[in-house]
Amino acid sequence: EAGVAQSPRYKIIEKRQSVAFWCNPISGHATLYWYQQILGQGPKLLIQFQNNGVVDDSQLPKDRFSAERLKGVDSTLKIQPAKLEDSAVYLCASSVLAGGGEAQYFGPGTRLTVT
Amino acid sequence: GENVEQHPSTLSVQEGDSAVIKCTYSDSASNYFPWYKQELGKRPQLIIDIRSNVGEKKDQRIAVTLNKTAKHFSLHITETQPEDSAVYFCAGGEPGGGADGLTFGKGTHLIIQP
Repeated sequence: EAGVAQSPRYKIIEKRQSVAFWCNPISGHATLYWYQQILGQGPKLLIQFQNNGVVDDSQLPKDRFSAERLKGVDSTLKIQPAKLEDSAVYLCASSVLAGGGEAQYFGPGTRLTVT
Repeated sequence: GENVEQHPSTLSVQEGDSAVIKCTYSDSASNYFPWYKQELGKRPQLIIDIRSNVGEKKDQRIAVTLNKTAKHFSLHITETQPEDSAVYFCAGGEPGGGADGLTFGKGTHLIIQP
């Protein structure tokens, strides 16, 4: 079974530029999550989708971050404009269902450096 | 929202000894507690998880215990090996309307001394 795929793996941009990350979850997984992991910390949830609907975006900085999962499979996360403090690894995870404590499986992440 | 505290931040043990990492959580509604292992530059990998209707779960050298009353859970690794060296994260899941994004602890850097 293929795992969660993410691209690009690395991205370097200047502050105030925009950037987008892509995620393809495990086949058949209805729920998709985006997490932000700052160096030396645990992952922090940004947004959760179930199929193509948003379940939880309470920790997403909506003035600069946006995400979509239009067809209920792939998802993109965008930052516009980027700030220095956005430097982090952006992890995508997926699970079969939601609400019942299902295992979440992570992709390799995209390491973003904002200069 | 949920708050997960993890201790210690660094743990050094001799190869072959046991390692214990402890976490506490704040939201009594949380019912799912996974543990992830993350090697440098790699993705977090799920190593074991426990649900609130179970007090203990074991998988070979790894075990997790949960005390719902005290709101704490622990990871136990026995007969540690060099490949166990990594950062370990505990997490808590807070269900509610399908929202079950995980709240992670700050991680424990486990060092296995040869």
